[in-house]
Amino acid sequence: QVQLVESGGDLVKPGGSLRLSCVGSGFTFTDYFMTWIRQAPGKGLEWLSYINSGAFGTGFTIYYADSVKGRFTISRDNAKSSVHLQMNSLRAEDTAVYYCARGRGRSWNPYDFWGQGTLVTVSS
Amino acid sequence: DIQMTQSPSSLSASVGDRVTITCRASQTISSYLNWYQQKPGKAPNLLIYAASSLQSGVPSRFSGSGSGTDFTLTISGLQPEDFATYYCHQSYSPPYTFGQGTKLEIK
Repeated sequence: QVQLVESGGDLVKPGGSLRLSCVGSGFTFTDYFMTWIRQAPGKGLEWLSYINSGAFGTGFTIYYADSVKGRFTISRDNAKSSVHLQMNSLRAEDTAVYYCARGRGRSWNPYDFWGQGTLVTVSS
Repeated sequence: DIQMTQSPSSLSASVGDRVTITCRASQTISSYLNWYQQKPGKAPNLLIYAASSLQSGVPSRFSGSGSGTDFTLTISGLQPEDFATYYCHQSYSPPYTFGQGTKLEIK
């Protein structure tokens, strides 16, 4: 069955760094683009970043939300069916549950499967 | 960036009711509009994509309509399991923004 399993969430001090990972299984990873979305406690969903499949060997197309541009970096390792989010210069307002989600094919397609989320807490 | 505005922010209804949630985009997004349902402590679940297409496995009481800037999600005949928070999401242009959510509560 399809699974997306996030890991790497933790308690980190302001200004610190964290690397989140999301491993996919049960589907052909290179058929899908991947995204990261977060949800602050008691708040709504915030889209963060997108990376395409990279299946055609022409490099990756990547997008970021303004709130994380320059601080967060998305990457993927198709050989390991994984996507990562390197988070630097973390702030209190980055405290949230972070979800990875997949979408098939082109960037305008919906996110048809989500992981269970991993909690990041930024606090001194 | 495209802003997505949902209304209402919260809604009380009874089992069996028909409810409609509205989502408005700050600029045209054609039909690149998706709807997700989220229950407490769980990841969101895709209900409707491309404004009006029902995701596989989603009950037919859920329906979506609209194009351009104005969209609606309708639930016909509310069931107890439908009480949740609903989000619209535009996949037309990055950043791919979400609406602020509509919490559907039991009256």
